[in-house]
Amino acid sequence: KAGVTQTPRYLIKTRGQQVTLSCSPISGHRSVSWYQQTPGQGLQFLFEYFSETQRNKGNFPGRFSGRQFSNSRSEMNVSTLELGDSALYLCASSLAGRQVAGELFFGEGSRLTVL
Amino acid sequence: EDQVTQSPEALRLQEGESSSLNCSYTVSGLRGLFWYRQDPGKGPEFLFTLYSAGEEKEKERLKATLTKKESFLHITAPKPEDSATYLCAVQAYNQGGKLIFGQGTELSVKP
Repeated sequence: KAGVTQTPRYLIKTRGQQVTLSCSPISGHRSVSWYQQTPGQGLQFLFEYFSETQRNKGNFPGRFSGRQFSNSRSEMNVSTLELGDSALYLCASSLAGRQVAGELFFGEGSRLTVL
Repeated sequence: EDQVTQSPEALRLQEGESSSLNCSYTVSGLRGLFWYRQDPGKGPEFLFTLYSAGEEKEKERLKATLTKKESFLHITAPKPEDSATYLCAVQAYNQGGKLIFGQGTELSVKP
């Protein structure tokens, strides 16, 4: 069974640019979450989507956005990049229902470097 | 505020030297507590979910336990391949799939 797939794995951008990251969840999983991981802050929740609707959102500025498609695939976008956005962005999928969230399974991540 | 604190930050063991990692948490309505393992440059790998105080789960050399305030990950007779960062996270009711993570414990097992 294929795991969570994230693309691209590595990317380098400059300040002010925008970036789009993609995530394909495990087949049958309807919930997709995004996390930012940095050495100083650890893993921090960005947002969660279930059935194309944002179910929860973390404390990040509006420059961070996401969406989920009807096939459960998800994208996240960061606009007007800042140096502090350099991080490992992790996508996780879950066999979740409307009221219950299950275990999260993570992809390998997209390593973003902002110069 | 929901919070997770892990200790120690780093732990160095000799192969075969058993030890425990601690995860203290405060959460308004615990739905589940999760343990993950993360290798450098990779995403976290799911290990265990614990739902209620007194629950225990085992997998190979790892055993996770849960009380109302903390969880322990016991490592029995570790091997070098157990070297990784171990992450603890909590999930609250009415928060969907959101996990709140601790900073992790970096475990190094020397042969």
